[in-house]
Amino acid sequence: QSVLTQPPSVSGAPGQRVTISCTGSSSNIGAGYKVHWYQQVPGTAPELLISGDNNRPSGVPDRFSASESGTSASLDITGLQAEDEAVYYCQSYDSSLSGFYVFGTGTKVTVL
Amino acid sequence: EVQLVQSGAEVKKAGESLKISCKASGYSFTTHWIAWVRQMPGRGLEWMGIIYPGDSDTRYSPSFQGQVTMSADESISTAYLQWSSLEASDTAMYYCARQLGLYHYSMDVWGKGTTVTVSS
Repeated sequence: QSVLTQPPSVSGAPGQRVTISCTGSSSNIGAGYKVHWYQQVPGTAPELLISGDNNRPSGVPDRFSASESGTSASLDITGLQAEDEAVYYCQSYDSSLSGFYVFGTGTKVTVL
Repeated sequence: EVQLVQSGAEVKKAGESLKISCKASGYSFTTHWIAWVRQMPGRGLEWMGIIYPGDSDTRYSPSFQGQVTMSADESISTAYLQWSSLEASDTAMYYCARQLGLYHYSMDVWGKGTTVTVSS
């Protein structure tokens, strides 16, 4: 059972903006541990999309951005493109007994 | 180029042992952590644990403590994940990933995964 909760799915038309939430608690995001985002295209391995402090690895377009507030984090995708269709996971460290590092439940993004 | 190359798919019977590997190249193997992540069929990502090849410091998620063993051989830049007695519930894809540090660091490079299928 994950301690980071994400909506199961979001969708949008090409060119639109979608936002994925990641709700945590005082033992992870709320404690100041950085949140990272990963993209997993079906049938492939996850890839780092954005690391804490909104850092994008080389090759990740600036259409992707992240933010944090309190015990939650968000991933924004602007100018949605067909290639963005994937599952997105947030991830952070958790200081409670529930685990060392935790992933979010995952959000499937569908481009209409 | 930084790469993690994982061993091939495995098909095993319940009760058998298994060791899968993750070979690193393109960076200093001993100064970066290697994490293992499980993904059961149709499910999300689960963090299993992490090992620092430089001194074999290993941390396990409570969910996987005692169920698997992580190790590393710095002479061949390879990390391992092993089971002494597989169960059908171990059927999953297993990924290794490089992590630059603890607490605030992301997993920046991932292997392509090793599929493990366990029949009962």
